[in-house]
Amino acid sequence: SQQGEEDPQALSIQEGENATMNCSYKTSINNLQWYRQNSGRGLVHLILIRSNEREKHSGRLRVTLDTSKKSSSLLITASRAADTASYFCATGGNDYKLSFGAGTTVTVRA
Amino acid sequence: DAGITQSPRHKVTETGTPVTLRCHQTENHRYMYWYRQDPGHGLRLIHYSYGVKDTDKGEVSDGYSVSRSKTEDFLLTLESATSSQTSVYFCAISESRQGNTGELFFGEGSRLTVL
Repeated sequence: SQQGEEDPQALSIQEGENATMNCSYKTSINNLQWYRQNSGRGLVHLILIRSNEREKHSGRLRVTLDTSKKSSSLLITASRAADTASYFCATGGNDYKLSFGAGTTVTVRA
Repeated sequence: DAGITQSPRHKVTETGTPVTLRCHQTENHRYMYWYRQDPGHGLRLIHYSYGVKDTDKGEVSDGYSVSRSKTEDFLLTLESATSSQTSVYFCAISESRQGNTGELFFGEGSRLTVL
C-alpha cells in the first residue's frame, strides 16, 4: 500500500494565486520529498525535508513537515502557467526506498 | 539532467509474450529502481537494486523480474505479459547514503501496452 496520500486530488487556480497541497503518511520517516511531473514526462525532484526539520524553502516553494501529525504541505506562491503539473509527495525511511502518493494535479489558469 | 535513459520508450505487445525494459545510467549511482505508474495509484515500486547483482522486491513485484549485471544497467523483465501490466514504467536512480533515501532522478518512462 502507498505510504503517502495527497489532498486534494486536483486543484485549479488563477495565475498569481498560491497553491497549497497536503500529504499524509502512516509510518515513521527519515525524510519526505516532493516531486513534480509534467504531462508525459518523468518526475523531477523539488525539495527534500528531513524528519528533524519543520520548514524548508526553495524559491517559490515552501514545505512544512509535522511529524506528530504525520503530515506535510507544499505551498507554491505566485503560481505561473508553467506550474501546471502533477505533484507527488514521497516518504523515505532507512531502507533506501521511496513510497509515493497518488499525486495532486494542479492547473494554473491564465 | 541526470544521465538516465530508458528503452524502448513505447512498446505494444501481446498477452503471453516476454518483454524486457532497459534502464541505462551514466551517473555511477548505486541505487536503481523500477516503478510503474497507473491512474489513481501514483507510482508503485516494482523492484530495486542496491548494487551489482543485488536486488530486492518492491510492493508490486509479482510477474516481474530484474537483473543488474553492471552498475549502469538495470533490466526489468515481464516473463509473460498480461493486460494488467499495461502501464507506464519509470526507472530511477539515487545515490543514497547513511541510511537515508536521497533524491531520485527519473527517466522519461516506457509506455507498455499489452493487448
